[in-house]
Amino acid sequence: KQEVTQIPAALSVPEGENLVLNCSFTDSAIYNLQWFRQDPGKGLTSLLLIQSSQREQTSGRLNASLDKSSGRSTLYIAASQPGDSATYLCAVSRSGNTPLVFGKGTRLSVIA
Amino acid sequence: EPEVTQTPSHQVTQMGQEVILRCVPISNHLYFYWYRQILGQKVEFLVSFYNNEISEKSEIFDDQFSVERPDGSNFTLKIRSTKLEDSAMYFCASSTGVDTGELFFGEGSRLTVL
Repeated sequence: KQEVTQIPAALSVPEGENLVLNCSFTDSAIYNLQWFRQDPGKGLTSLLLIQSSQREQTSGRLNASLDKSSGRSTLYIAASQPGDSATYLCAVSRSGNTPLVFGKGTRLSVIA
Repeated sequence: EPEVTQTPSHQVTQMGQEVILRCVPISNHLYFYWYRQILGQKVEFLVSFYNNEISEKSEIFDDQFSVERPDGSNFTLKIRSTKLEDSAMYFCASSTGVDTGELFFGEGSRLTVL
């Protein structure tokens, strides 16, 4: 059974810092990995999707990497801003239409 | 930009009552999902739906739950007799089912069972 773990559970950084959020999964036979952002009481916003054949994806100040063989992904946020404060969730699927398995998330606070 | 929409945003109900949560997936998507998130816990898969039938369901999705696509646009989740432990945020999601398999989520429906 796939398990997804995210470390740290919470992170507080001053504005402007670069930071890395970690995600690990127990079964490396994944089809894709998605990073989401969740604001308090709100829905899930897709940030980046990495397919199993890819090593990384970039969108603006965000860069996600995938090391499938070791069961790890990282989300790098450059030059953090207070507006980046949210919970970041990592999720994996074993095929294109199978359910996502989520981690518990990392709650990020960026202090101005 | 197309989006998944959910109604209601918040529903309060008494234990034992029936609840229907509604979703309008993105129009050209073929796969539909319901997930839930109990406060402070992980987002959990409930059920997936394709070609007018359930394609996969989790252990959580017992006989109290049902899904339906009553017309060409709506996708509903019904809870027949709500329990206190059904209190959660329920998310609808959809995907095209091809290419990357990216899921797009709605804003969620918060269900509070008293």
